[in-house]
Amino acid sequence: DSGVTQTPKHLITATGQRVTLRCSPRSGDLSVYWYQQSLDQGLQFLIQYYNGEERAKGNILERFSAQQFPDLHSELNLSSLELGDSALYFCASSRRVDGSSPLHFGNGTRLTVT
Amino acid sequence: GESVGLHLPTLSVQEGDNSIINCAYSNSASDYFIWYKQESGKGPQFIIDIRSNMDKRQGQRVTVLLNKTVKHLSLQIAATQPGDSAVYFCAENLNTDKLIFGTGTRLQVFP
Repeated sequence: DSGVTQTPKHLITATGQRVTLRCSPRSGDLSVYWYQQSLDQGLQFLIQYYNGEERAKGNILERFSAQQFPDLHSELNLSSLELGDSALYFCASSRRVDGSSPLHFGNGTRLTVT
Repeated sequence: GESVGLHLPTLSVQEGDNSIINCAYSNSASDYFIWYKQESGKGPQFIIDIRSNMDKRQGQRVTVLLNKTVKHLSLQIAATQPGDSAVYFCAENLNTDKLIFGTGTRLQVFP
């Protein structure tokens, strides 16, 4: 058990809809990362937060947004969903902000857009 | 369910043999590397890491080797067990705030 908790485990929704994925980092970790894993693209970095502030951005679509709350949990919001957004979405957390310590991943949310 | 692509390179080994999984990383300035194991339906699990000032690091049944000259990383698993069957990813950090993951290698262990 990595200590990172993601909910829900599975999400099925229709195109055009909006969903929110939730992540609780490991106790003591201030950095939260979001990754997308689809069949044809492997693990793609989306965005990172550190202590409530956006720290780094990757290949995140404008339809997607995220935030980290004062209690350090994070949410990833996906809107105007398209079929191609179907994927596994992973949250990870780490102690350090600069990527020089391991990321610990949750078990992901499997999103299916129909 | 499947968590990675259908066209991953696959390494098949017999139980008890040693496994070597290779990874070519992209940037000569990367200074931190990690190996992850991902089982079906789960998130990537940290195995071992190594910094660029080292060539080798050992853990329990695993060894990571780093060859900076050719930008190559390998993971050696001793006495491979059925529970080692998974997809293995290397990841590199370019002293930035994110890890860049390789495409992964599927390890299949046969009895």
